[in-house]
This record gives sequence, C-alpha cells and structure tokens, in this order.
Amino acid sequence: DTGVSQNPRHKITKRGQNVTFRCDPISEHNRLYWYRQTLGQGPEFLTYFQNEAQLEKSRLLSDRFSAERPKGSFSTLEIQRTEQGDSAMYLCASSEGTALRGYTFGSGTRLTVV
Amino acid sequence: TQLLEQSPQFLSIQEGENLTVYCNSSSVFSSLQWYRQEPGEGPVLLVTVVTGGEVKKLKRLTFQFGDARKDSSLHITAAQPGDTGLYLCAANKLSFGAGTTVTVRA
Repeated sequence: DTGVSQNPRHKITKRGQNVTFRCDPISEHNRLYWYRQTLGQGPEFLTYFQNEAQLEKSRLLSDRFSAERPKGSFSTLEIQRTEQGDSAMYLCASSEGTALRGYTFGSGTRLTVV
Repeated sequence: TQLLEQSPQFLSIQEGENLTVYCNSSSVFSSLQWYRQEPGEGPVLLVTVVTGGEVKKLKRLTFQFGDARKDSSLHITAAQPGDTGLYLCAANKLSFGAGTTVTVRA
C-alpha cells in the first residue's frame, strides 16, 4: 500500500468555477477525513466518513462544499462556485479506527483560485 | 478559534541546541497527538499520548502529557537540520493547534 493518495496535487481555477478533488485512503482504513489548511495555520476539520456514511460536518463546510465516499473506499470533495477565500491546501487523512491507532495524511491538494 | 494553543509560534535555533514547544488547552483530552509537517506535504504522526503524566521518547524527541491531560510538550535534544518543520499538536478528532515552525540552522 502506498499510503493516502490525493489528486491532483495542485489546482489553479478561476473564481466561480467548480473543482473536485479525490482522495484514495489506505485500503483497510474505514475512516476518512477532510481538512483545509491555510498558510500559518493548522489544519481545520471539514468532514469525516466512517465507511460510506458521512458522520460529521464542520460549520466551515458551506453549502458550496460537498463530499462523498460512495463505496466506502475513495472520497471526493467538490467545491462549487469557487471564491478566492477557498484558496488553501486540502488534506485528506484516513484511519483504521480511533485516534489511538494513528491517522495517515495524504500530501494534499493545493487549490489556488484566481 | 483554535482549541489548542501552541507556543512559541516560531523557533530558530542552531544545530546541536535543545528546544521545547508547548501545546495548551483549557479542555481535558482523552488523547493528544503530535505531528510534523514539511512544506507542501501532509502532517506525519510522531506520537499519541493517552495517560496523564505520560512521557514517550522517540530517539531525540521526548513527549510529555500533562497530569491533568490539558497540555503537552515536545522536547528535542541536540536538534539537527532534519528536525526543521511545522510541529502540530492535535486532539479530539484532530482539532489542530496552529503549530510551531521550527528552523534548525546548520
């Protein structure tokens, strides 16, 4: 297993366009998390899935954001009508269970909205 | 609002020196994790601490969880340039602190 994979690594888009990011977790991990990180800050929790169920969403996840994990494997995060304030690193992490088992992060997708 | 407060925000030291970074909160945590993040990459888990007063060592890194499970510290002995990075503490489904940027000069 090559760890958590995120694609694309970088995305530049014009304001108002839609973007979609993909995360492939470690295959035996049943939990998957999305975070957003801006310069000089720690990652901010967006949402998480246990298998295919989306169990929690942060208030940061406005109605322009949607995440799916249709078969309990890979996940997608879509941002509609992007705004300049959406520019950030979007990180995905997966775990086999609780925090005690450790979380593995992907390398992230860097989004720049121009 | 960050649930976890990290200090200092920046730390620059010479190779061979020691350093300590802190993670504090008014909340009690069942566990706390430390990560190191390099530019353009995701955080990498260093350690999880669970028991109040617990001390864990990872080579030159020593992690301590406060007795009341509200705070933690990371101490690096004889820092090396490879220790350079953003050190993050996290708890409760990964509520992260803002991190401490550590730079070790050769």
